Amino acid sequence: DSGVTQTPKHLITATGQRVTLRCSPRSGDLSVYWYQQSLDQGLQFLIQYYNGEERAKGNILERFSAQQFPDLHSELNLSSLELGDSALYFCASSVGGGSLDTQYFGPGTRLTVL
Amino acid sequence: EDKVVQSPLSLVVHEGDTVTLNCSYEVTNFRSLLWYKQEKKAPTFLFMLTSSGIEKKSGRLSSILDKKELFSILNITATQTGDSAVYLCAVDTGNQFYFGTGTSLTVIP
Repeated sequence: DSGVTQTPKHLITATGQRVTLRCSPRSGDLSVYWYQQSLDQGLQFLIQYYNGEERAKGNILERFSAQQFPDLHSELNLSSLELGDSALYFCASSVGGGSLDTQYFGPGTRLTVL
Repeated sequence: EDKVVQSPLSLVVHEGDTVTLNCSYEVTNFRSLLWYKQEKKAPTFLFMLTSSGIEKKSGRLSSILDKKELFSILNITATQTGDSAVYLCAVDTGNQFYFGTGTSLTVIP
């Protein structure tokens, strides 16, 4: 158990819908990272927040957005869902926001879009 | 285009064998290279290699980074069935993380 929690564990929804994934980092960690893992694309970095501010941005679609709240939990919002958005979404956290910080991954949210 | 390539895609060995997993990269701004182990759940961190730390070892696992030739290897000696997993390599460029597709290792008793 990494100490990072994600809810829900599973989510099944229809195309065109909007969902929100939630992540609580380990106690004391200021950075939160979001990743998408699909069978055909592997693990892809989406976005990083550090202490409430966006720190780095990866291959995140415009239909997706994220934020980190004052209590440091983070939410990833996915809208206008498409079949191809079906994937495992991981959140990770680290103490700092730099390149030398170890990231600890949560258990993931499995999203299925029908 | 920044990319990370891992080889082989999959590997099947017997317990006790030694394996070498490869990771090559082409990125515009290298900060660090990371190795993760992923079983049927979230990735777990193994090693971080940077310019100032090009060799790491932990028990039966070790890794080296060759910054000149732009690759890293992960060695596992005396493999055990518990080593069966997908091993992921990632490169941190400071504003992006690029992952390889992983090497699936199966260790047969």
